[in-house]
Amino acid sequence: AQSVAQPEDQVNVAEGNPLTVKCTYSVSGNPYLFWYVQYPNRGLQFLLKYITGDNLVKGSYGFEAEFNKSQTSFHLKKPSALVSDSALYFCAVRVGASGGFKTIFGAGTRLFVKA
Amino acid sequence: KAGVTQTPRYLIKTRGQQVTLSCSPISGHRSVSWYQQTPGQGLQFLFEYFSETQRNKGNFPGRFSGRQFSNSRSEMNVSTLELGDSALYLCASSLESASSYEQYFGPGTRLTVT
Repeated sequence: AQSVAQPEDQVNVAEGNPLTVKCTYSVSGNPYLFWYVQYPNRGLQFLLKYITGDNLVKGSYGFEAEFNKSQTSFHLKKPSALVSDSALYFCAVRVGASGGFKTIFGAGTRLFVKA
Repeated sequence: KAGVTQTPRYLIKTRGQQVTLSCSPISGHRSVSWYQQTPGQGLQFLFEYFSETQRNKGNFPGRFSGRQFSNSRSEMNVSTLELGDSALYLCASSLESASSYEQYFGPGTRLTVT
């Protein structure tokens, strides 16, 4: 079955420190991978994507992610965390299904950045 | 460009009633997807429409249905509401071309069933 796993329910990091939010996937074929962020009481916002090309992709708000095909991972990173980065982060993969496509989301990782 | 809009933002219904939620995608986006978000189940895919055709459906009962109009606006209907249908319903639109497959989400409709 095609799936996305976010092994950590919660990540805690101090402001100014680097952060990593982990994501692994299981799909057939070449994956289209995404990261989304959800701030309290708001919808999801697109952060970044990997379709093809460079394994390191850069996105909004200083975030970046590294696609690792051999480890089937797509971890989200930021060199220096801000308190305002505290939010719920979702990893997602676009897969083919029933003649169309659908996006499968991970369970989400809650990031807490402490001042 | 205006973002994805959803109406209404909040709804309170009683068991057995039905409800219709509306979504207007970003101009030019032909794909609209619907998701149910709950604390326990996370984000669950409901269905996806592209050019007025349902391309995909998630594992939800037939009480959940939807449609897309020629202007790409979409509606979702839930009949015979159950307490477990209480959730945040999110609509997302996507361009679906030229490697632009990312989804843009609306603020959601929070449905409470009593």
